[in-house]
Amino acid sequence: KQEVTQIPAALSVPEGENLVLNCSFTDSAIYNLQWFRQDPGKGLTSLLLIQSSQREQTSGRLNASLDKSSGRSTLYIAASQPGDSATYLCAVVSSNTGKLIFGQGTTLQVKP
Amino acid sequence: NAGVTQTPKFRVLKTGQSMTLLCAQDMNHEYMYWYRQDPGMGLRLIHYSVGEGTTAKGEVPDGYNVSRLKKQNFLLGLESAAPSQTSVYFCASGQLPYEQYFGPGTRLTVT
Repeated sequence: KQEVTQIPAALSVPEGENLVLNCSFTDSAIYNLQWFRQDPGKGLTSLLLIQSSQREQTSGRLNASLDKSSGRSTLYIAASQPGDSATYLCAVVSSNTGKLIFGQGTTLQVKP
Repeated sequence: NAGVTQTPKFRVLKTGQSMTLLCAQDMNHEYMYWYRQDPGMGLRLIHYSVGEGTTAKGEVPDGYNVSRLKKQNFLLGLESAAPSQTSVYFCASGQLPYEQYFGPGTRLTVT
């Protein structure tokens, strides 16, 4: 059974820092991996989608990497800003079931 | 183009009461999903639909029923609410199974 784990559960950094969020998954048979952002009381917004054949994707200050063989992904946020404060969720699409399996999320606070 | 909308936004139920959550999408998507989000648990799939008139069980379907009579709507029903169903419920839709657009959520409290 696919399990997705995100570490740390919470992170607090001063503005301007570069930071890395981690995601690990137990079954390498994935179709793709996605990173989502969730603001308090809101729904999920897709940030980056990495296909299983890709190694990384970039969007602005965000860079996500995928190492399928080791079951790991990282989300790198450059020059963090208070507006980046949110919960970041990692999810994989299982090749076997076609379903999204979510991690528990990392709650990020960027202090001015 | 409203995307994915959910009704209601908040609801408080007493144990044993019933209710229906409505999800609507205006993007002509085939796939629709209902998730619940609990603290420390991430999102878990309750039921899903791969097209009008179809439904299937997800990871945590017990205590819930769904219907997809119209392509644009996906209803989630609780026949006899229990405190364990206190959660935030998210609906999502997509044209492809791995691309999902999420609604804003419904916060349900069962006392």
